[in-house]
Amino acid sequence: QSALTQPRSVSGSPGQSVTISCTGTSSDVGGYNYVSWYQQHPGKAPKLLIYDVTKRPSGVPDRFSGSKSGNTASLTISGLQTEDEADYYCCSYAGSYTFIIFGGGTELTVL
Amino acid sequence: QVQLVQSGAELKKPGASVKVSCTASGYTFTSYDINWVRQAPGQGLEWMAWMNPNNGNTGYAQKFQGRVTITRNTSISTVYMEVSSLRSEDTAVYYCARVLGILPDYWGQGTLVTVSS
Repeated sequence: QSALTQPRSVSGSPGQSVTISCTGTSSDVGGYNYVSWYQQHPGKAPKLLIYDVTKRPSGVPDRFSGSKSGNTASLTISGLQTEDEADYYCCSYAGSYTFIIFGGGTELTVL
Repeated sequence: QVQLVQSGAELKKPGASVKVSCTASGYTFTSYDINWVRQAPGQGLEWMAWMNPNNGNTGYAQKFQGRVTITRNTSISTVYMEVSSLRSEDTAVYYCARVLGILPDYWGQGTLVTVSS
């Protein structure tokens, strides 16, 4: 199964909002409410930002929010900060045969 | 606090095997599944396998079936991932991650495995 589709890169200025999309199929993103988003800085392990499509772990700022419509999930980052510059990955459950699938990753540049 | 500590970097020759460990602390080891995910240099994340540390049940991505084995030692809260018949394309950082519900939440620091002759 192919990776979920994310834009290779997005950019925004400090204080602005950006949205990163994650497109799958009815067998993964569209079929389950199990989508997570991760932030990864260079040389570091991924950090969980959003789980179960819209939920935020404790400690994650409410500037980060998740949503889903059909086969596409989205991560919105509002009030961009320079420290938000990182790679972002979506992840979805894909059933008991494929299990879990990641997106290809999106590089966020804060100009 | 939840911590997953992985073993150190490895340099292996093609055809060899490697075994990476992941030791958990800060939570009840048998209450959460563990996933293994890898990331080749400059590439994205790739899901490999899961284990239920309570009963030892495992599941593998089709790509890794027969070449990856996940085991555990509950007495020391450690999960192991062994990859056999290594090739250059297996050069990557390998991560273990605890599972919250279905998908990973806390991640280990990663283990670089380099396959080179």
